[in-house]
Amino acid sequence: EDQVTQSPEALRLQEGESSSLNCSYTVSGLRGLFWYRQDPGKGPEFLFTLYSAGEEKEKERLKATLTKKESFLHITAPKPEDSATYLCAVLPYNTDKLIFGTGTRLQVFP
Amino acid sequence: EAGVAQSPRYKIIEKRQSVAFWCNPISGHATLYWYQQILGQGPKLLIQFQNNGVVDDSQLPKDRFSAERLKGVDSTLKIQPAKLEDSAVYLCASSPTGGDAGYGYTFGSGTRLTVV
Repeated sequence: EDQVTQSPEALRLQEGESSSLNCSYTVSGLRGLFWYRQDPGKGPEFLFTLYSAGEEKEKERLKATLTKKESFLHITAPKPEDSATYLCAVLPYNTDKLIFGTGTRLQVFP
Repeated sequence: EAGVAQSPRYKIIEKRQSVAFWCNPISGHATLYWYQQILGQGPKLLIQFQNNGVVDDSQLPKDRFSAERLKGVDSTLKIQPAKLEDSAVYLCASSPTGGDAGYGYTFGSGTRLTVV
């Protein structure tokens, strides 16, 4: 069964304190792995798509990496405005259905 | 480009009542999805439409949930009768041709349903 597990569930960082979020996945065949950001009261907002092991994508303070079993979202020198829930999702080959993890709730305080 | 529009933003109903949610996807997007997101969980797919046909409704509780996408544009999701466990955010998303567009789906802001 296709499955996505994210850790930690919650993470509190001081402004400037870099860290990483983990997304472990089990999928029959990976078409793509997606990272989304979700602010309270809003829908998920697309961040990155990764397709193959070794691929990396960057956007401002965020960098996503992918291996054959997991993905990491690295946050460098975070700011309070980076506070949000970060969702990981996989798209298997045999479906158009995104399968989401439960997310990591990130709080960055000054 | 206008985003995915959903209404209402919030709804509070009593159990056993009925409720309907509306979604207008991005213009030209053939694929439309309804997801249910319970507090503290990731979104779970309820139903997927390709134009006005159903592609996947395997996780839709069909005894109480129904959805339609007439004319392949707007969509309505209905719950009748509602149960307490239906309290969640209902997210609508659209994609040009399916998830491999490179950017996944574009989500609306959702409808927060509270069943009391």
